[in-house]
Amino acid sequence: AQSVTQLDSHVSVSEGTPVLLRCNYSSSYSPSLFWYVQHPNKGLQLLLKYTSAATLVKGINGFEAEFKKSETSFHLTKPSAHMSDAAEYFCVNSGAGSYQLTFGKGTKLSVIP
Amino acid sequence: NAGVTQTPKFRVLKTGQSMTLLCAQDMNHEYMYWYRQDPGMGLRLIHYSVGEGTTAKGEVPDGYNVSRLKKQNFLLGLESAAPSQTSVYFCASSHKAYLEQFFGPGTRLTVL
Repeated sequence: AQSVTQLDSHVSVSEGTPVLLRCNYSSSYSPSLFWYVQHPNKGLQLLLKYTSAATLVKGINGFEAEFKKSETSFHLTKPSAHMSDAAEYFCVNSGAGSYQLTFGKGTKLSVIP
Repeated sequence: NAGVTQTPKFRVLKTGQSMTLLCAQDMNHEYMYWYRQDPGMGLRLIHYSVGEGTTAKGEVPDGYNVSRLKKQNFLLGLESAAPSQTSVYFCASSHKAYLEQFFGPGTRLTVL
């Protein structure tokens, strides 16, 4: 069985400061992990994905995430927040042998001018 | 290339009414999914399909039915709507299982 825990339901940062959104996972198999972003009243857009290649994954809009097997973590980071980054972010786990994605409950990112 | 489209975008129903949500994708994906999104709950899988003519239950299938008569379309039906089905519904598709899914813009459904 697979699961995902997003450790913060809400994160607030100032514009220009670093962003850290935390995600821990559990999986019986080698996982595929994703981060999606959802802007208000919009669908979900893929930010980045980990599928057992490089452990540091670069995504769109300057985001990246590092897969750490020893810590079962897949935290999302960005060096400098922009106002346009304000959205809800979902960490997602796809376990091998399953058709289903398991979604975290989401982290709402607020960016203060 | 429109990706994944959903119709309608908004709908208000009265308890007991029925409706069908349509999802279409133009990426020739085998796999299609229906989710519902409720505040603080993330997305929960209702039903999914691994190919034309096949459907399967997800995490929260009760009160919903689906059909996949054509590869590009995946229909979600509510036979007798209940207020608990007030939600935002998202359709998604993927080329293969365990790969990234591509999402539609969502349908906001209110059941009074």
